[in-house]
Amino acid sequence: AQSVSQHNHHVILSEAASLELGCNYSYGGTVNLFWYVQYPGQHLQLLLKYFSGDPLVKGIKGFEAEFIKSKFSFNLRKPSVQWSDTAEYFCAVLGGTYKYIFGTGTRLKVLA
Amino acid sequence: EAGVTQFPSHSVIEKGQTVTLRCDPISGHDNLYWYRRVMGKEIKFLLHFVKESKQDESGMPNNRFLAERTGGTYSTLKVQPAELEDSGVYFCASSQNLQGDYGYTFGSGTRLTVV
Repeated sequence: AQSVSQHNHHVILSEAASLELGCNYSYGGTVNLFWYVQYPGQHLQLLLKYFSGDPLVKGIKGFEAEFIKSKFSFNLRKPSVQWSDTAEYFCAVLGGTYKYIFGTGTRLKVLA
Repeated sequence: EAGVTQFPSHSVIEKGQTVTLRCDPISGHDNLYWYRRVMGKEIKFLLHFVKESKQDESGMPNNRFLAERTGGTYSTLKVQPAELEDSGVYFCASSQNLQGDYGYTFGSGTRLTVV
């Protein structure tokens, strides 16, 4: 069965620190990969997505993610976080169907 | 454009009561999805409408859950009777195309607490 693992459930960083959130998926076929973010009190928003092509994907607000097929990974990165990045981040896979398979989410807290 | 609207945003009900959640998708989006997140767990698929038809309800937990989408516009998700394990955040999403290639647009969710 398809699954998505997010390794860190809670991350606390100081402003300007670098961020990397891990995401691994299990699916044998072609996948579409996504990162969503939910800011406090808001709806889930699409940060970035990967379908094909350049495995390094750039999204909104300075986020990027790298698809490494051999490792079944799609880690999210940001060189320098801001207090406003405090949110919950979800990795998700669309693998052959229209149903998202989500990870359990990572709560990021950025200290000012 | 207006986003996906869900209400209520919060609902607290007693075990055995009935609750109805509503979702208004983005106008023109034929595809409407319901997902649920139980505390601390992943967000899980419940069901998918294309217009007014249920395409896939394989994620519905049991027959206490009933979803409708009359006229292919807004959708309701009714839980009757509610049980403690139904507590969680219920998300609705809509998309123009089936594959969600451009991502879905999610609502803010309804936090349901069954006590």
